Amino acid sequence: NAGVTQTPKFRILKIGQSMTLQCTQDMNHNYMYWYRQDPGMGLKLIYYSVGAGITDKGEVPNGYNVSRSTTEDFPLRLELAAPSQTSVYFCASSYSIGQGASGNTIYFGEGSWLTVV
Amino acid sequence: QQPVQSPQAVILREGEDAVINCSSSKALYSVHWYRQKHGEAPVFLMILLKGGEQKGHDKISASFNEKKQQSSLYLTASQLSYSGTYFCGTDPGTGNQFYFGTGTSLTVIP
Repeated sequence: NAGVTQTPKFRILKIGQSMTLQCTQDMNHNYMYWYRQDPGMGLKLIYYSVGAGITDKGEVPNGYNVSRSTTEDFPLRLELAAPSQTSVYFCASSYSIGQGASGNTIYFGEGSWLTVV
Repeated sequence: QQPVQSPQAVILREGEDAVINCSSSKALYSVHWYRQKHGEAPVFLMILLKGGEQKGHDKISASFNEKKQQSSLYLTASQLSYSGTYFCGTDPGTGNQFYFGTGTSLTVIP
């Protein structure tokens, strides 16, 4: 059972480059999330999606874009990478009906370590 | 929007107890607790739903006071394996966003 799979695990980008972090889940979850975690800090919500074709901004969306064309995939696009985007990125998913994400476990991918130099 | 946790860090000896608090400025529908080991993804511990319930398994339990918009995680008779960073996650029940707290670093020493 794969769960939430993120690729790549490690990446070094130069300032101004663009890249896409891939995220796939095989649990048929409707909710998917992208978080970033700076060293020694908590998780900040970048974008989230409640189903295919529906995405919305979280706390720190600037410099990122997402799409959700299928239930399984939720890629995160970094445009014009900046040193401030150096972080660990976690994709997560959960299944929920009704009120938000309540009452259901959020499953995380293993993380993607991104360095912008 | 991000809930605040206290303390920021705590060091315990094996067998000691600890309490980690999570406080939100928004009314909450549920609170989640996760533990993250260094270099790994967060792992689910438990969920508490609106209703002021208390949950627990093994020597880790939690309470949720919806009126005070607070939750507390209780770790009793701590073990070395309890070391890590603990995060609360909160859902206001309106909209679909889910926010994690500032984190509490817990270190258990022999």
